[in-house]
Amino acid sequence: AQRVTQPEKLLSVFKGAPVELKCNYSYSGSPELFWYVQYSRQRLQLLLRHISRESIKGFTADLNKGETSFHLKKPFAQEEDSAMYYCALGTGGSYIPTFGRGTSLIVHP
Amino acid sequence: DAGVIQSPRHEVTEMGQEVTLRCKPISGHDYLFWYRQTMMRGLELLIYFNNNVPIDDSGMPEDRFSAKMPNASFSTLKIQPSEPRDSAVYFCASSSLTTGKAFFGQGTRLTVV
Repeated sequence: AQRVTQPEKLLSVFKGAPVELKCNYSYSGSPELFWYVQYSRQRLQLLLRHISRESIKGFTADLNKGETSFHLKKPFAQEEDSAMYYCALGTGGSYIPTFGRGTSLIVHP
Repeated sequence: DAGVIQSPRHEVTEMGQEVTLRCKPISGHDYLFWYRQTMMRGLELLIYFNNNVPIDDSGMPEDRFSAKMPNASFSTLKIQPSEPRDSAVYFCASSSLTTGKAFFGQGTRLTVV
């Protein structure tokens, strides 16, 4: 069975500090990994996906199959990055996302 | 496209009452998902449909929960009877294989008192 683990419920940093939100997954097949973000009072929206290998809003994430991880990183956090971040796993060739429990990121001024 | 549309945005009801949540997916999407979001459990997949057919409802917590998708543009999630522990934000999302990602509605915040 597939599973996504986000070990931190809350991550609190100061503006300008580096950020790493951890995500580990469990899946025997070939995974598709995503990061979703939910800003206060807004809907979840896709931040990035590993296939695209893109950087969105300064965030990057690299799929490490050896460690089964897909950590989200940003070198310099901004206050507007404060939000709830969900790691998601898509499996089986069709898109049925399994989400982690989420990490609340708070960036202090 | 206005995106995934959910109604109502907020619902407050008394324990024992029936609650119906509604979702209009994005036109052309053939997958529809219902999620429940709570502080304790995060986002839980309740059920998903493919081409209006329920594929996996193993996440539905109890028989009090039921979901239907009578056509490609409409789905409902019903709780009967509702209980205080059902209080949560319920999200609907839709996707297709071509998009490769899920689009979420703004959610319905349900409070059962």
